This record gives sequence, structure tokens and C-alpha cells, in this order.
Amino acid sequence: AQKITQTQPGMFVQEKEAVTLDCTYDTSDPSYGLFWYKQPSSGEMIFLIYQGSYDQQNATEGRYSLNFQKARKSANLVISASQLGDSAMYFCAMREAPSSGGSYIPTFGRGTSLIVHP
Amino acid sequence: KAGVTQTPRYLIKTRGQQVTLSCSPISGHRSVSWYQQTPGQGLQFLFEYFSETQRNKGNFPGRFSGRQFSNSRSEMNVSTLELGDSALYLCASSSRYSGTSGESTDTQYFGPGTRLTVL
Repeated sequence: AQKITQTQPGMFVQEKEAVTLDCTYDTSDPSYGLFWYKQPSSGEMIFLIYQGSYDQQNATEGRYSLNFQKARKSANLVISASQLGDSAMYFCAMREAPSSGGSYIPTFGRGTSLIVHP
Repeated sequence: KAGVTQTPRYLIKTRGQQVTLSCSPISGHRSVSWYQQTPGQGLQFLFEYFSETQRNKGNFPGRFSGRQFSNSRSEMNVSTLELGDSALYLCASSSRYSGTSGESTDTQYFGPGTRLTVL
């Protein structure tokens, strides 16, 4: 089963508008971390924002915020005031402990391609 | 601080050959993880090294191996290359080991990747 699901293969947004990128996850581990990364065409993965499973408040980092709904197992990324430089692939990732014990193994979604129009 | 560096950036090999990729983490970071990214499988975790020891391993065959040196630099080796090994190989560093302590907050910082093409 998919651990991380990103249902939007591609998204388009007008410059200066807000956009929400969806991410749902599946885990039975009570302790986990959720991450969002941006990957421009250059290939480098850029860390954007983190949300811990025990965090009471939604994470925010500048123009990025994470809409964390634990009961629904969703961790959507909201980008406010989109800029042309935001055009990239966006990956949702989760770090959880395997059911057999051991260390935290990260898993990534398939990504959402965001294109920002002028 | 300099970011994560990976060498080489591009590599072309033929089937059956072996390849070694190098990753230098951010200064002070002791954990290095490797990932394979392909259009078909997406981004998959290969392994994580901390203090010269492999701590985590993804679901990859034994042809994929790695090591970490005392200065935290890491190398990844792929032997007997197959066409399906063509991918972007990303390295990420973090200051701490992800571990079993329940600490899952440590952020990983990625390098630019090595694009491997197997002909």
C-alpha cells in the first residue's frame, strides 16, 4: 500500500495566488514526521517545512504552511502568494519507524508538478 | 556553510560495469543518506550511514553498497550495472542519526545529485 499519496500529478496557479498541494499518508506508528521538499529542474531537493505527529499547531515557514489534519491523515502544503520561482516538483515525505522496530525510514510520494503562470 | 556536494554530477556507464558515487555532507553533519530517483519508482531510500556504520537500509539488492569515512564523506557503489539502475542518485546529510529514539524531526539537506545513465 502507498505510504504517501499525492493525488495531483500537476497543478497550475496564477502568480500571486495561493495554492494547496495535497498529501495523505498511511501509518500506524504514533510517532512520525512529515516533510515537504521542492525539486526544481536542476534536481536538488530543497527542504521546505516539517510537521511532527505530536505538534499541536500547523507548521509555517515564510510563505509555506502545512495544513495538518491528523485524524484524516493529511498534510497539505499551502503556498501563499505564488512566485514564478515556485514552479517545480513538490514531494511530500514521511519518516516513521518500521513495524518490526528499528530506525526511521523515510518514504516519499510521487510528487506534484506545480507551474506558476505570470 | 557549504552545502552537500556530490561527484560526479553526470556519469555514463555500460551494463556490467561498476560505479562509485561520492557525497560530502554539510560540515558538522554526521549522517548521510542515499536515495535513488527514477520516473517509474519515484524517490526510494537506499541506506543511511552514521559514524561510519550503516544504520538503515532500504529494499535494494546487494549490488548497492556504501560506506562512510571518518570525515563523514560517503561513497555509494553499484556493481554489475543494469539498465534499470539509470537514475538520479541523491545524497542527503543531517546532523543527527534518525535512530530509534523517536526523534524524527531531523531535517535532511540534499545535494544536487549524480545522474547515472547505463547503456
